[in-house]
Amino acid sequence: DIVMTQSPDSLAVSLGERATINCKSSQSVLYSSNNKNYLAWYQQRPGQSPKLLIYWASLRKSGVPDRFSGSGSGTDFTLTISSLQAEDVAVYYCQQYFSGLSYTFGQGTKLEI
Amino acid sequence: QVELVESGGGVVQPGRSLRLSCAASGFTFNIYDMHWVRQAPGKGLEWVAVISNDGSNKNFADSVKGRFTISRDNSKNTVYLQMNSLRAEDTALYYCAKSYTGSYDAFDYWGQGTLVTVSS
Repeated sequence: DIVMTQSPDSLAVSLGERATINCKSSQSVLYSSNNKNYLAWYQQRPGQSPKLLIYWASLRKSGVPDRFSGSGSGTDFTLTISSLQAEDVAVYYCQQYFSGLSYTFGQGTKLEI
Repeated sequence: QVELVESGGGVVQPGRSLRLSCAASGFTFNIYDMHWVRQAPGKGLEWVAVISNDGSNKNFADSVKGRFTISRDNSKNTVYLQMNSLRAEDTALYYCAKSYTGSYDAFDYWGQGTLVTVSS
């Protein structure tokens, strides 16, 4: 199985400042035939279900604020929140969907103010 | 709007069985793969199982392989998770989730979850 490892496990950032979360996969999730990275980011606010933020490593789902951005390719990926808002307090997960046999998540990164 | 509503959770003894249901609405159900994902109390997300849009292909996490089965009824817009030989470590909130564009994709909608507690 592809193992997803996030860093850091927790992060405290001031309002209006940048937050950066990293995700590393144990093998590449870049599919060469279509040049797509099979990598998504989710936000889970306290007491809520997860919500999709980013898919194909860098595409924002409709309705997601543009302060959220995703980058990276192959095995190394980053979720960046450009200017932290209070409502961004949550746990963030990366996920690979490269392997149709399993869809593994990272362990999560807890973001606090 | 898309809605996924899980049901069937509860308290069950180790070794017993339970069947979860997820009723979907607001989209063309028979186009999309559907998933189950679980979250143990205070822990992260663990993918459990996937079923293809027509039910012909299914995959499971190693932790549940041989004990859990997944099925769907496209006439009822419902996906099921049959959980047998339950263990304490299966205690979790179980979410169903919809594949974004069909197959091999992220999960764009999630239900609110149904809680399964395995305890004697």
